[in-house]
Amino acid sequence: DIVLTQSPVLAVSLGQRATISCRASQSVSISSINLMHWYQQKPGQQPKLLIYRASNLASGIPARFSGSGSGTDFTLTIDPVQADDIAAYYCQQSRESPPTFGGGTKLELK
Amino acid sequence: EVQLVETGGSLVQTGKSLKLTCATSGFTFSNAWMHWVRQSPEKQLEWVAQIKAKSNNYATYYAESVKGRFTISRDDSKSSLYLQMNSLKEEDTAIYYCTWSGRDWFAYWGQGTLVTVSS
Repeated sequence: DIVLTQSPVLAVSLGQRATISCRASQSVSISSINLMHWYQQKPGQQPKLLIYRASNLASGIPARFSGSGSGTDFTLTIDPVQADDIAAYYCQQSRESPPTFGGGTKLELK
Repeated sequence: EVQLVETGGSLVQTGKSLKLTCATSGFTFSNAWMHWVRQSPEKQLEWVAQIKAKSNNYATYYAESVKGRFTISRDDSKSSLYLQMNSLKEEDTAIYYCTWSGRDWFAYWGQGTLVTVSS
């Protein structure tokens, strides 16, 4: 299985930029298609799709969220961070079955 | 509006069985590839099972951790998805989410149903 590694916690100040990383144990890209996706999960809620295929904003997601990366290294950026963004963020790959998730990064206020 | 509503979670003893249901609306369920994803108490997300559409002969796929114990099924006439869980283990304790992938990402999630397995 493809293992996705995320830092457990990221502390950030409101109004600043948050950069959340996800590293895959092998490439999750096919040609120019990057099969990495990002989800946000607030306490007591289900995960919500933020970014699909590395850099595409899901419907209804604010433009302060963006994604980048290819191969094995991917980044979710939130700029500027707002209070409503305090949550856990998970990456997920669909390059190979089974689909796997990273362990999540908890975004906290500094 | 897409809606996915899971029911059936409860406290159950190890070795027992439980069946989860996901009632859906707001999309063409009969064409949809559906999944179950679970989240452990440690917050780790794990894909559990997938079932494809009738046009794909209802093909099913399972995580190694549940293969032979869990069965995913669907009733297109009721727009409902099911997960039959047998021989439950303590490590199956989790919130179980019904998801619709659309493409190769999980676009829509239900609110989840909690399964607790204890001796």
